[in-house]
Amino acid sequence: EDQVTQSPEALRLQEGESSSLNCSYTVSGLRGLFWYRQDPGKGPEFLFTLYSAGEEKEKERLKATLTKKESFLHITAPKPEDSATYLCAVSGTASKLTFGTGTRLQVTL
Amino acid sequence: GAGVSQSPRYKVAKRGQDVALRCDPISGHVSLFWYQQALGQGPEFLTYFQNEAQLDKSGLPSDRFFAERPEGSVSTLKIQRTQQEDSAVYLCASSLRTGVDEKLFFGSGTQLSVL
Repeated sequence: EDQVTQSPEALRLQEGESSSLNCSYTVSGLRGLFWYRQDPGKGPEFLFTLYSAGEEKEKERLKATLTKKESFLHITAPKPEDSATYLCAVSGTASKLTFGTGTRLQVTL
Repeated sequence: GAGVSQSPRYKVAKRGQDVALRCDPISGHVSLFWYQQALGQGPEFLTYFQNEAQLDKSGLPSDRFFAERPEGSVSTLKIQRTQQEDSAVYLCASSLRTGVDEKLFFGSGTQLSVL
């Protein structure tokens, strides 16, 4: 069974204080690792898909990386508007995404 | 519409009542998924449609849960004889093509509270 573990559960940063979120996974035949952002009262919003170890993708202050066992979401110089829950998910041989429980990020002034 | 639309936004049901949750996916999207999200948890897979065919219903928690997508567009998730443990946000997502490596577009969900 596919499994995703995210850490930390919650993270509080000051504006401009860079950090990383971790996603550890086990999956049979990785087809893709996904990062989503979820704001309160909203559905998850797609950020990145990574397909193979060594791959990196960037979008504004976010950079996602992938190894054979984990993925990191690096946040550089975050702003308050980056506050959200960040969800990691994997797709394997099954016809579904398996999500982690997320990291709740709060960025303060 | 521009995105995935779900209705109602909020639903309060008495234990034992039947409920129906509606999902309007993005026009032309082939794949449609239902997920259940409990408070403080990640979304958990319920079921998957490719056009009108329900290809995977392995995540439905019991036979009280039923989903359909009769014309390959709008989908309805029905829960019979609701129980308190059914309280959660029910998320619908669609993708343009088949294939689980496609990016999903989620609706804002229906928050179900069973009293």
